[in-house]
Formats: sequence, structure tokens, C-alpha cells
Amino acid sequence: SAVISQKPSRDICQRGTSLTIQCQVDSQVTMMFWYRQQPGQSLTLIATANQGSEATYESGFVIDKFPISRPNLTFSTLTVSNMSPEDSSIYLCSVEAGARGTEAFFGQGTRLTVV
Amino acid sequence: GNSVTQMEGPVTLSEEAFLTINCTYTATGYPSLFWYVQYPGEGLQLLLKATKADDKGSNKGFEATYRKETTSFHLEKGSVQVSDSAVYFCALSDRGGNNRKLIWGLGTSLAVNP
Repeated sequence: SAVISQKPSRDICQRGTSLTIQCQVDSQVTMMFWYRQQPGQSLTLIATANQGSEATYESGFVIDKFPISRPNLTFSTLTVSNMSPEDSSIYLCSVEAGARGTEAFFGQGTRLTVV
Repeated sequence: GNSVTQMEGPVTLSEEAFLTINCTYTATGYPSLFWYVQYPGEGLQLLLKATKADDKGSNKGFEATYRKETTSFHLEKGSVQVSDSAVYFCALSDRGGNNRKLIWGLGTSLAVNP
């Protein structure tokens, strides 16, 4: 299993500013995932972050808007840049563990409100 | 491509009622299947999983059987409790190849009344 600490847990931000979300894992992992969960909706993968390489972004998400850092095997950050109210969402950090298949573990999420 | 179709909610039940939340999938290869639960104000956590056909995952009184012939992974519980009120997500992952992303259903909200 994996224990994930994510912070901040929530924030209220002014439009046009940026917020950096931190994700710390209690063990070394190869891949870390960043998701967005908009109100009443399912999870949408933003990007996959591997240590030592650039993050891989999903369709509809770009590095300029959501820059990601992955400096080591236990830590990653996601920045939401130049925020607008449409960015209001829950942002989730996730890692995979388990010998067979993909078993995901999640942080508690960051609830972001942009005003 | 891979996809997950999950029963729409919200589902409202009385305590001790029987619960079924339907989940069907489309996938190439041999995916693993999962149910995740999100309690109010908390992050997602794995409820149960099955990694091959005919496997039954179980946890906290919940069960789901991996049915390859019907491409289904329905979640069931014989007697729900108020504490089971949460959002339930069905998900799959493709074990083969380089695609290790999880594919998520839309989630089903469950409210259990005393």
C-alpha cells in the first residue's frame, strides 16, 4: 500500500493567480498521477509524472496551464496557473501499487475554489 | 478504446436493503477491475478488486464478480448501513502493454436512510 499526503487540503484563490499543490508519498514510486474531479463528476486524468522525465499530459491539458514537477521518487507538485473560476475543482494525487494490475492510492485531494 | 459504464445515481435506500450498482466495461486484453469508494469529505479508497475472469472481490460486506461473458462487475451488498452512504466508482486497468491508466466510471452516489 501507499500513504499519500497532499496539501493544501483546500484553498480559495483569486482569478489570475497560481496555486501549487504538493503530493508526498511514503514510499518510492515510479509513476504519479494527477486527476481533476469536478463537482458531481468522475475523475479526469490530467497527467502522468515519472521521475526524471517530463510529464505526459492527457488530451485537453497542457503544460503551460498545469506544470508538474517530479524531483524524486516520493514527491510531485502540480501548479494550476492563471486560474479562472472554471478551474474550481478537486485535484487529486495518485500512485499505483500492487503486484498485478494497477491499484491506485489517493491523497485526500485539494479542494480549489477560484473567485 | 477502453470504457466503463456505470449505473446512474443517486441511489437512495433504507437501512438493511439490498444494494446493486451495475458496472459494465469495454476493453481489449484482460483488464483488472476495481470498485473505489469516496466517503463524504474524504479521498478515494479501494473497496475491492478482481484481476481475472470469475474472480470475486469482497470487502466490508460488498462483493463483485468479474464476469467476462457479460463484461460486467456489478457491486452488491446484502444489507446496507447508513455508514455506506458514499459515492462508488467502477474502474478498470489494462494489465498489458504500456497503458496503465485507470479508466473510470462516472460514479454512483448512494444515500442510505435510517
